[in-house]
Amino acid sequence: NAGVMQNPRHLVRRRGQEARLRCSPMKGHSHVYWYRQLPEEGLKFMVYLQKENIIDESGMPKERFSAEFPKEGPSILRIQQVVRGDSAAYFCASSPTGSGGYTFGSGTRLTVV
Amino acid sequence: EDKVVQSPLSLVVHEGDTVTLNCSYEVTNFRSLLWYKQEKKAPTFLFMLTSSGIEKKSGRLSSILDKKELFSILNITATQTGDSAVYLCAVEAGGSEKLVFGKGTKLTVNP
Repeated sequence: NAGVMQNPRHLVRRRGQEARLRCSPMKGHSHVYWYRQLPEEGLKFMVYLQKENIIDESGMPKERFSAEFPKEGPSILRIQQVVRGDSAAYFCASSPTGSGGYTFGSGTRLTVV
Repeated sequence: EDKVVQSPLSLVVHEGDTVTLNCSYEVTNFRSLLWYKQEKKAPTFLFMLTSSGIEKKSGRLSSILDKKELFSILNITATQTGDSAVYLCAVEAGGSEKLVFGKGTKLTVNP
């Protein structure tokens, strides 16, 4: 059981570029969540997805951010035209049922230069 | 707005000490409270609490929830340097499959 796999572990982007963060949930988990962690802050919920559906995106910034969880393949968090303020650790979690049992990945640390 | 507050924000102790970490919350339709340990990578699950007054225990760690006073504590006895980490408290609210996290308590255990 490989756990929740996120890649890349570290990502450096210049201002204005696009960042794509990938998350493969644990085997048997069909619920995926993305969280963002700024320095000295707790994790902040961004979006909750099931296969091919966005269930709750109340934590996503209105512009430049999007997420998907296609029928095949990993969940993708996409940030267009990155700015310095997007620099953070982005964590993905998965669960089998959508309640409890969350397992987190090791995160992607995005640095915008 | 749902809120989780942890205290203290940081704590430095010596090996062998006992520590108590606090977590208070204000959420609508409380479902569960979870504790995680975060070293320099993924938060790892420690406890999930749903009922008041029932202590959960795992080795030197234990936790209890008070749903009337809206708080939880995490105790670590006989601390070791390997306990150094950020401890995160999160609350799951019913009707919303997301976790609301506190800012964490950074614990440093010195030899």
